[in-house]
Amino acid sequence: GPKVLQIPSHQIIDMGQMVTLNCDPVSNHLYFYWYKQILGQQMEFLVNFYNGKVMEKSKLFKDQFSVERPDGSYFTLKIQPTALEDSAVYFCASSLGTDTEVFFGKGTRLTVV
Amino acid sequence: QQQVRQSPQSLTVWEGETAILNCSYEDSTFNYFPWYQQFPGEGPALLISISSVSDKKEDGRFTIFFNKREKKLSLHITDSQPGDSATYFCAASTGYQNFYFGKGTSLTVIP
Repeated sequence: GPKVLQIPSHQIIDMGQMVTLNCDPVSNHLYFYWYKQILGQQMEFLVNFYNGKVMEKSKLFKDQFSVERPDGSYFTLKIQPTALEDSAVYFCASSLGTDTEVFFGKGTRLTVV
Repeated sequence: QQQVRQSPQSLTVWEGETAILNCSYEDSTFNYFPWYQQFPGEGPALLISISSVSDKKEDGRFTIFFNKREKKLSLHITDSQPGDSATYFCAASTGYQNFYFGKGTSLTVIP
């Protein structure tokens, strides 16, 4: 089936540094999402993105977070600066429309030390 | 406040038995409930979903029972197979996006 690819699968970064998580969504999809899952907790919605814009974001989407998809390339989540509480697995997802199946990637495990 | 709760946290059944996974939610405006299946090292994959206008959705061995009044739903997996061993997430949303997920139920099916 359609695949959402996330690169890298695991990243370790020093607190205060910038990190960019990359997502290659399903090729014809138009809507993109990021979810965050802290170890042992549920996945939580961060943000969705359509037509070059953030459509909706949760309170977890701090000012240090930003998303973009320049020129149809990777859909990225940037955290600058990182904090210890940003350590989590970040899942990227995409869908063709607002009422179609949402496909998830395998996640990127971010460890902030 | 956790919007979606799942129980049990883990479940073990024998091959051929029916596994029952439970889910409840808080927000009465939720109208779409997908269940996702996740194998170790993989991302969650949509297994089956139901909208709030239905009380039952069946797809092969997988059936969702939905009780809108009690804000509860359950996933029944009949004739469980070892290949069904995975973590199952219940989710809820208004519309079809921006899901609230439960913490998941880890299912083990013993041959």
